[in-house]
Amino acid sequence: EAQVTQNPRYLITVTGKKLTVTCSQNMNHEYMSWYRQDPGLGLRQIYYSMNVEVTDKGDVPEGYKVSRKEKRNFPLILESPSPNQTSLYFCASSLTPPGLAHNEQFFGPGTRLTVL
Amino acid sequence: DQQVKQNSPSLSVQEGRISILNCDYTNSMFDYFLWYKKYPAEGPTFLISISSIKDKNEDGRFTVFLNKSAKHLSLHIVPSQPGDSAVYFCAASRGTASKLTFGTGTRLQVTL
Repeated sequence: EAQVTQNPRYLITVTGKKLTVTCSQNMNHEYMSWYRQDPGLGLRQIYYSMNVEVTDKGDVPEGYKVSRKEKRNFPLILESPSPNQTSLYFCASSLTPPGLAHNEQFFGPGTRLTVL
Repeated sequence: DQQVKQNSPSLSVQEGRISILNCDYTNSMFDYFLWYKKYPAEGPTFLISISSIKDKNEDGRFTVFLNKSAKHLSLHIVPSQPGDSAVYFCAASRGTASKLTFGTGTRLQVTL
């Protein structure tokens, strides 16, 4: 089954404790992105990757790191989480650029992160 | 600065009627516009899209209209069904289309 998986689905942590949210896709997609969803702000792109070892900043990259060492994986790293990073996070992948018309971007189920 | 805006946080429509969801944008450089649907506890799913060279795109019950001069797009759902109840996000991109800017979302409730 074609899918994007994220782990963990839920995470409660404390300020300053480094964490990683994993993302994996089995569709051999070139493009992958991370988004966060917050009430009243919609979805905002954090980082995106066009291929292995090629990443770039989205609209809200501060406080996050990513890496793309393999095509299928795109982990999101919070080196020193803060309470303002409490959010619902989505990973997504697509064969072509995510903003292209007629292109379908597949989203994972989401990771709800709480930073105390 | 919110470049893509959905000014109606919620909308309620009777089953069988037309649902019209609106989206405004400020960046005239946007080339592509997309709509996503999101159910609770799931990731968004792609619904329909349109490029700036067109003013209308249709897919079954869903039609997207683009008015470039007004920097406005709308999604029409006809007829609306209870399964359409979800949060709808519009999104826009430009150039290489790797960067995608979403609106704040509109929650659609289709009532019986």
